[in-house]
Amino acid sequence: GIQVEQSPPDLILQEGANSTLRCNFSDSVNNLQWFHQNPWGQLINLFYIPSGTKQNGRLSATTVATERYSLLYISSSQTTDSGVYFCAPFTSGTYKYIFGTGTRLKVLA
Amino acid sequence: SAVISQKPSRDICQRGTSLTIQCQVDSQVTMMFWYRQQPGQSLTLIATANQGSEATYESGFVIDKFPISRPNLTFSTLTVSNMSPEDSSIYLCSVIGAGVRPDTQYFGPGTRLTVL
Repeated sequence: GIQVEQSPPDLILQEGANSTLRCNFSDSVNNLQWFHQNPWGQLINLFYIPSGTKQNGRLSATTVATERYSLLYISSSQTTDSGVYFCAPFTSGTYKYIFGTGTRLKVLA
Repeated sequence: SAVISQKPSRDICQRGTSLTIQCQVDSQVTMMFWYRQQPGQSLTLIATANQGSEATYESGFVIDKFPISRPNLTFSTLTVSNMSPEDSSIYLCSVIGAGVRPDTQYFGPGTRLTVL
């Protein structure tokens, strides 16, 4: 099945810093979502991004499906951005999302 | 988007017992899934809950250990049977096929299980 690797695995930032999280996947995908899991365990949808670039406030995401990667940009980070970020590609052949290894982010005040 | 509730939100159980987790969605959905998240790990898909038929299990998960029901398009249950401490995890219900974007996945709040 598809393999999904995220980097870096851990990231510590000072409040106000910018960061880029990467998601590599081993097979063609039809869709991709980014999620934020907050410290209470709730998974929050960030982006539905099968291709191209989208922006939502301080966050933006880019997926280059032909090169099998997606990027999540966080600008002017805040302590509330702390948590784990997951990417999850979707393949129509299997009709399910497979989760990446995650990036654990901690933003310091 | 879909509103998904899970019961219980957390539980502490003794080894050898079973726990049934309920997932309720506020609208009919195409697909329902159950995931497990072990401490400090990513999410692992347990199975796809099929309406009116047996669930489709991923490699490493079996029906005897994780029986699943889905009697209609808005409700599913996952049972964790004959529990051991290794079953201590967060169990998450998710859905696809709700709302405007049919391929977007939404998650319930999770059930935090501790097995002693």
